Amino acid sequence: AQSVAQPEDQVNVAEGNPLTVKCTYSVSGNPYLFWYVQYPNRGLQFLLKYITGDNLVKGSYGFEAEFNKSQTSFHLKKPSALVSDSALYFCAVRDRTGSARQLTFGSGTQLTVLP
Amino acid sequence: DADVTQTPRNRITKTGKRIMLECSQTKGHDRMYWYRQDPGLGLQLIYYSFDVKDINKGEISDGYSVSRQAQAKFSLSLESAIPNQTALYFCATSDPGTGDTGELFFGEGSRLTVL
Repeated sequence: AQSVAQPEDQVNVAEGNPLTVKCTYSVSGNPYLFWYVQYPNRGLQFLLKYITGDNLVKGSYGFEAEFNKSQTSFHLKKPSALVSDSALYFCAVRDRTGSARQLTFGSGTQLTVLP
Repeated sequence: DADVTQTPRNRITKTGKRIMLECSQTKGHDRMYWYRQDPGLGLQLIYYSFDVKDINKGEISDGYSVSRQAQAKFSLSLESAIPNQTALYFCATSDPGTGDTGELFFGEGSRLTVL
């Protein structure tokens, strides 16, 4: 079975400060990992993904995430937060070697960037 | 125009009524999905279809049915709506041809309220 945990329902950060949104995962084999962002009244938009290779993945809008196999984590980061980054963020996983044919999503983390 | 279009975007109905949510896509993807989003629960998979003749139940299929009318169209039906089906519903697509990572492309969502 595959699962994802986002331990923080809410993250608040001041504009200009670095931000981190946490994600840990569980799979039987090796993972495909994703981050999506949802703005109010909109669908989910793809931010970045880890497939293989370099553990640091760069994505849209200055976001990046680091794959850490030993800690089974894929935390989302940005060096300097913007008010416009305020949104709901979802981590998702798929076990590339398992029988699951679809993504499993975390419960989401609401990021608020304070001006 | 959006690549993944959902109709209606908002619907209010009464308990016991039949409701259909429609999804159409212009991405040319074979795989289509219906997810339900509830606050604090993330996204839960209702049904998914890997082609017109391949339809599968997801985590929470009870009370729902689907129809894959064509490669581009995937409809979700609530035969007899109940209040706990009040939620935001998302259609998504994926393309197995790009490494089959499971990366999803989402519609804008359909907000359903059952009174």
